[in-house]
Amino acid sequence: AQKVTQAQTEISVVEKEDVTLDCVYETRDTTYYLFWYKQPPSGELVFLIRRNSFDEQNEISGRYSWNFQKSTSSFNFTITASQVVDSAVYFCALSEGQGGSEKLVFGKGTKLTVNP
Amino acid sequence: DAGVIQSPRHEVTEMGQEVTLRCKPISGHDYLFWYRQTMMRGLELLIYFNNNVPIDDSGMPEDRFSAKMPNASFSTLKIQPSEPRDSAVYFCASTPRAYTGELFFGEGSRLTVL
Repeated sequence: AQKVTQAQTEISVVEKEDVTLDCVYETRDTTYYLFWYKQPPSGELVFLIRRNSFDEQNEISGRYSWNFQKSTSSFNFTITASQVVDSAVYFCALSEGQGGSEKLVFGKGTKLTVNP
Repeated sequence: DAGVIQSPRHEVTEMGQEVTLRCKPISGHDYLFWYRQTMMRGLELLIYFNNNVPIDDSGMPEDRFSAKMPNASFSTLKIQPSEPRDSAVYFCASTPRAYTGELFFGEGSRLTVL
């Protein structure tokens, strides 16, 4: 069965620090997709990224970067030069097979607090 | 453009009462999902619809829960009778293409059952 583990329940950093959120997944499929979502204090989850199991290239988007390593079944998320607005709960998720939204399995989330 | 709209945002009710949560997906989105979020269990998929038809309801906890989608712009999640363990935040999400994995979430309905 598929499973997503986010071992860090809460992280607190000071503004401008870099922070990495860990995500470890379990799946028996060779084809799968990994996601990150952000849940700000307003409550709604916001999609950040989707990666497929055949593409291990790291991705960078502004201050955000993602490191996908199949060898360790990890899909970690780094925020560079964190800002107060980055404070949120971040969820890693996994979808097997076609990679659609139908069967997303979410981790328990990591609450990030960025202090000024 | 309006996002996914859920109502009510907060609901406090007593055990045994019927609860109805409502969702208006983004126009043109063919898929609609209902999720439940609790501290203990995290985010769980309850049910999802494609073109108003329920596709998978295996996540619905028990017969007290039911969901309908009478048309493309409206869905309800009903709990009858409600119990304290149903207290959670219920999210509705929609997407135009399920295979992209990008879900658009509403702000959630926080339910407290006393």
